[in-house]
Amino acid sequence: DGGITQSPKYLFRKEGQNVTLSCEQNLNHDAMYWYRQDPGQGLRLIYYSQIVNDFQKGDIAEGYSVSREKKESFPLTVTSAQKNPTAFYLCASSIGRDRRITGELFFGEGSRLTVL
Amino acid sequence: AQSVTQPDIHITVSEGASLELRCNYSYGATPYLFWYVQSPGQGLQLLLKYFSGDTLVQGIKGFEAEFKRSQSSFNLRKPSVHWSDAAEYFCAVGASNTGKLIFGQGTTLQVKP
Repeated sequence: DGGITQSPKYLFRKEGQNVTLSCEQNLNHDAMYWYRQDPGQGLRLIYYSQIVNDFQKGDIAEGYSVSREKKESFPLTVTSAQKNPTAFYLCASSIGRDRRITGELFFGEGSRLTVL
Repeated sequence: AQSVTQPDIHITVSEGASLELRCNYSYGATPYLFWYVQSPGQGLQLLLKYFSGDTLVQGIKGFEAEFKRSQSSFNLRKPSVHWSDAAEYFCAVGASNTGKLIFGQGTTLQVKP
């Protein structure tokens, strides 16, 4: 079955450590996204990528980094510069062939990061 | 600036009662509008979407939503709520020039037996 796989589902990190969250999709979608979810704040966009080897900052990119070396993969690194990294992270993808039209997003099941 | 507001943070309804979740948006052009549902600890699932055409759209699980341009609203409705509908619901608007979605803060639905 096609879908989006995020791993790990739960992750604990000590302060000062970088951590990388994995996101893989087999939907053949061009566009991929990372959102952060905090209680009462909805979803906020961290980074997005419309095509391989290209990505743009979202609304809260500080302290995060991404890469898009393959169409199927869009890993997110939470760096030690992120002041409040404890959150639920959601990866999503969309068809994205037409940059002028946004289609629906397909979401993974999320990764919960806790900083100890 | 583009934005989405869900005025109700938490709603409780009795099983079998009707439901309406409110969503208001601010957007400069014809918006692409979505409703998503999220069960605890899970990702989001699309309920329905509006791009153009008929302003009343039908979705999965018996949900529908009506686009009202004059009120900048896209409210979600269901005639009879089931206990399994308890979840968090997000309204979102599409920014057509970037392909990004902007989400509201979410409404948590609790269903009483």
